[in-house]
Amino acid sequence: SQQGEEDPQALSIQEGENATMNCSYKTSINNLQWYRQNSGRGLVHLILIRSNEREKHSGRLRVTLDTSKKSSSLLITASRAADTASYFCATESIQGAQKLVFGQGTRLTINP
Amino acid sequence: DAGITQSPRHKVTETGTPVTLRCHQTENHRYMYWYRQDPGHGLRLIHYSYGVKDTDKGEVSDGYSVSRSKTEDFLLTLESATSSQTSVYFCAIGSLAESSYNEQFFGPGTRLTVL
Repeated sequence: SQQGEEDPQALSIQEGENATMNCSYKTSINNLQWYRQNSGRGLVHLILIRSNEREKHSGRLRVTLDTSKKSSSLLITASRAADTASYFCATESIQGAQKLVFGQGTRLTINP
Repeated sequence: DAGITQSPRHKVTETGTPVTLRCHQTENHRYMYWYRQDPGHGLRLIHYSYGVKDTDKGEVSDGYSVSRSKTEDFLLTLESATSSQTSVYFCAIGSLAESSYNEQFFGPGTRLTVL
């Protein structure tokens, strides 16, 4: 069964706007990661946040983690057409170390 | 793609035939993974390896076997392919280097169609 559930399943915004995607999970985790997948390609690691961290930044990406609610969000600021892709959260649970469990993903479309 | 290749990239086969997919890495990473990606299911782990000849099952391992005789190669075998195994298959490697966090690097994928 999927550990991560993502919301929304699809998001369409105008270039320059901010995009927010959410991820919820079920079990205690070591860390949570976000990946991007362009159409027809493999996944690319974006950012990792550890269970004892609450917020992390990388360029235009901002990730938050709320372990009490078992949820995370990915914010992409000042979106660009090149950000069009699917975004997946993945969790490494305490019980299943060395393995990641992926959510179903959010399909993000940036309209020029 | 972080020194990961998959072969073949596309394959069409018939039900009941054996199929082997190959993943090759040049990064000398200890951990290797096979996932399948299907609409509505995201990525699901099939099998993974934590060293030469050391493998374990993932979430959807039924109908699949794996082998790892060398650090750089991880093979996924469908002994008798079924239509339900039509999917896109991704190989990944895990660093677990200095940080000890399992950031994974993915190959380009293999699109398998079982008729």
